[in-house]
Amino acid sequence: ETGVTQTPRHLVMGMTNKKSLKCEQHLGHNAMYWYKQSAKKPLELMFVYSLEERVENNSVPSRFSPECPNSSHLFLHLHTLQPEDSALYLCASSQEGQGPHGYTFGSGTRLTVV
Amino acid sequence: AQKITQTQPGMFVQEKEAVTLDCTYDTSDPSYGLFWYKQPSSGEMIFLIYQGSYDQQNATEGRYSLNFQKARKSANLVISASQLGDSAMYFCAMREGNTGGFKTIFGAGTRLFVKA
Repeated sequence: ETGVTQTPRHLVMGMTNKKSLKCEQHLGHNAMYWYKQSAKKPLELMFVYSLEERVENNSVPSRFSPECPNSSHLFLHLHTLQPEDSALYLCASSQEGQGPHGYTFGSGTRLTVV
Repeated sequence: AQKITQTQPGMFVQEKEAVTLDCTYDTSDPSYGLFWYKQPSSGEMIFLIYQGSYDQQNATEGRYSLNFQKARKSANLVISASQLGDSAMYFCAMREGNTGGFKTIFGAGTRLFVKA
């Protein structure tokens, strides 16, 4: 039990498909994040949700659509992706506003767009 | 603008020896936090250690210590007594401000190889 669970671990999808990535945290944290990790590039922050409200959207294309129905769940809906969207997508959670702390990350979803 | 630089794409260390992974940062905010994460081949990012900008002592967590040199804006990670399981990617990260985690940025990472 890592505290942050991501499913699926691996996903191969065509450019016309629609799929969703799921993230669930069991830590009682109040903030959740989506990061993209591509080869040879630093981690890129995509979206941040604090108390189920989106507080950050780093100029992510509209083919990525986040959803946070409650403080424990975070989704990333994917549609009409491009091959360059192939990457490791990492979900993280944290407890904000209570002193120093790090993120707790999930194991990631390895996405391949064909 | 905040920035994190890790200049070592890869490092080799002999098992049981110590190794230092470099990290420099740039920020105009006097209040910030510095983090190190480990990413094994499984993909999960694991939080290792934290250093606050106002902390007087260097942070330590078991075999991990953070060599914080504020004037040089460096926050190097020192791993003592390396183990084969330490082979992984290591990322330095920074967050500005006291409470907000929303602006944490990551460096490009250093891949550490521990040799038997």
